[in-house]
Amino acid sequence: SQELEQSPQSLIVQEGKNLTINCTSSKTLYGLYWYKQKYGEGLIFLMMLQKGGEEKSHEKITAKLDEKKQQSSLHITASQPSHAGIYLCGADRTGGTSYGKLTFGQGTILTVHP
Amino acid sequence: KAGVTQTPRYLIKTRGQQVTLSCSPISGHRSVSWYQQTPGQGLQFLFEYFSETQRNKGNFPGRFSGRQFSNSRSEMNVSTLELGDSALYLCASSLAPTGGSGQPQHFGDGTRLSIL
Repeated sequence: SQELEQSPQSLIVQEGKNLTINCTSSKTLYGLYWYKQKYGEGLIFLMMLQKGGEEKSHEKITAKLDEKKQQSSLHITASQPSHAGIYLCGADRTGGTSYGKLTFGQGTILTVHP
Repeated sequence: KAGVTQTPRYLIKTRGQQVTLSCSPISGHRSVSWYQQTPGQGLQFLFEYFSETQRNKGNFPGRFSGRQFSNSRSEMNVSTLELGDSALYLCASSLAPTGGSGQPQHFGDGTRLSIL
């Protein structure tokens, strides 16, 4: 089984619709990072969450880390074609001994139709 | 401020050959991590270097190795290439090793390695 489960695996929405992507871990998350990737390119850092209950927003994207620090959600409001891509959650699952290792979910492919 | 630079962007090799990939981190970043991305396995951690020392290693065979120089630039080497090594290899840098430090990793555009 995946150490980090992302859902859904893919999402097709009409421009202007809201959407949510979830990232669930069976272990406590010491840091949760959201990235966006265009196919075949590098990952673009979106947001970092560390504290239980923390919520951050940037433009139309909001990310939350639940109180138990085992699940995070990424919410996009009024989606646009520019939001299309692959969204990945990456987690620090061991705290101070992770030494540069992030564990990633399998990604969510987002398609936004104009 | 320049981002993470990886060279080359594309590489084609044959089985049995070896390859060296290069990564220049963001200026001031001392931690460099390497990942392999494939459609089947997703993103998998290879290793991390900080101050020229390998501090963490993923579950990959010894054919995969790396090093970091005093200017924080890093290289990874894969020897005796196999078909299964075809992948996008991504390098990421951060100010300090991720893990309690609250420092995010910033990624390069990767090197696409194809093995024939």
